[in-house]
Amino acid sequence: GAVVSQHPSRVICKSGTSVKIECRSLDFQATTMFWYRQFPKKSLMLMATSNEGSKATYEQGVEKDKFLINHASLTLSTLTVTSAHPEDSSFYICSAPGQGETQYFGPGTRLLVL
Amino acid sequence: DAKTTQPPSMDCAEGRAANLPCNHSTISGNEYVYWYRQIHSQGPQYIIHGLKNNETNEMASLIITEDRKSSTLILPHATLRDTAVYYCIVSMTNAGKSTFGDGTTLTVKP
Repeated sequence: GAVVSQHPSRVICKSGTSVKIECRSLDFQATTMFWYRQFPKKSLMLMATSNEGSKATYEQGVEKDKFLINHASLTLSTLTVTSAHPEDSSFYICSAPGQGETQYFGPGTRLLVL
Repeated sequence: DAKTTQPPSMDCAEGRAANLPCNHSTISGNEYVYWYRQIHSQGPQYIIHGLKNNETNEMASLIITEDRKSSTLILPHATLRDTAVYYCIVSMTNAGKSTFGDGTTLTVKP
């Protein structure tokens, strides 16, 4: 079945640095991908919609200059957390719609900012 | 998308059926009911979806009431690996963004 991968699976970085997270659809093309953030013991919160060939659409309250999204190809979207701070530590998950009205989620990336 | 309400937690004995309810009283006629689950520290996994009729696949069964205001996800023979957070989502399409509620934490006990 369709698979969505994320890289890296976990990352630890120092405060003030930038971190890039990749989301790939492995055997299907995705003109749209979605980025979610999940804090411990909380539900997934949609951050933005990544659109191939155009700008991402951000949810209210999400800083577009802090969370840079680039949908470089039909199989790759990247989320860059710029100037990361400890409060950005979270579980970041991407998803992509596949065939048959099914949404496929990546395994998630755990970010820890020290 | 319509809002959903689920109990925060449920327990189930291993080997027994797990019945997870979801209320979606404001669902509109063209909205589907989708179920996902999230095992600890993993991405959500699609389980099943339906519009009006009951549905069954290799993972679970979905029972939707006639007025479509509520539904029940049934795991017929729960195993320890079914311990997860189960999310009920109502949406016109699964191809768009998903609005996750708090879900139900199902704990399957030996």
